[in-house]
Amino acid sequence: EVQLQESGPGLVKPSQSLSLTCSVTGYSITSNYWGWIRKFPGNKMEWMGYISYSGSTSYNPSLKSRISITRDTSKNQFFLQLNSVTTEDTATYYCARSILYWGQGVMVTVSS
Amino acid sequence: DVVMTQTPPSLSVAIGQSVSISCKSSQSLVYSDGKTYLHWLLQSPGRSPKRLIYQVSNLGSGVPDRFSGTGSQKDFTLKISRVEAEDLGVYYCAQTTHFPLTFGSGTKLEIK
Repeated sequence: EVQLQESGPGLVKPSQSLSLTCSVTGYSITSNYWGWIRKFPGNKMEWMGYISYSGSTSYNPSLKSRISITRDTSKNQFFLQLNSVTTEDTATYYCARSILYWGQGVMVTVSS
Repeated sequence: DVVMTQTPPSLSVAIGQSVSISCKSSQSLVYSDGKTYLHWLLQSPGRSPKRLIYQVSNLGSGVPDRFSGTGSQKDFTLKISRVEAEDLGVYYCAQTTHFPLTFGSGTKLEIK
């Protein structure tokens, strides 16, 4: 069974970088597509981007200048980095394999 | 981006009643392969989103047949027959036909 687990700090200061890790068990990240999706307070959901089985990436144009998704295949993990965060980046962040398998989510608050 | 307009924003229903949720897209969701990549998800309280229906009308694994999806082109409907207590939560439509993936604004289902 595929399982995903997010980890990372729950509080980030404005202008700093948000960094999250997604640890995957039960499936190799060298297959399929692995992405990040966030849910803002009030239910709005936003797809942020993905890293593919080959390591290629695709990002939501709304974030393209601030986002980076990378991976460590030896640990079966992939990572999210979002730069220059503002309070508007406060959200629950999910890692997912397509929209079928989701992590439990990690709430990240951007505040000084 | 494809805008997904979901209505109503909230519903309150009694156990055993049937309900429908509408999702309309700003562009046709028929992909070049002829398939329509419109999906429905449910986020139950305290849980990660779960995919209920994929490609308009296909039930996900383990999803009861009380759930059904219909529609074509730009107009889609999720129907829940004989609502049960476990159905409460926020329902989302999502499209993966066009880049980037986009979600509807959500419909919150409450049980009377």
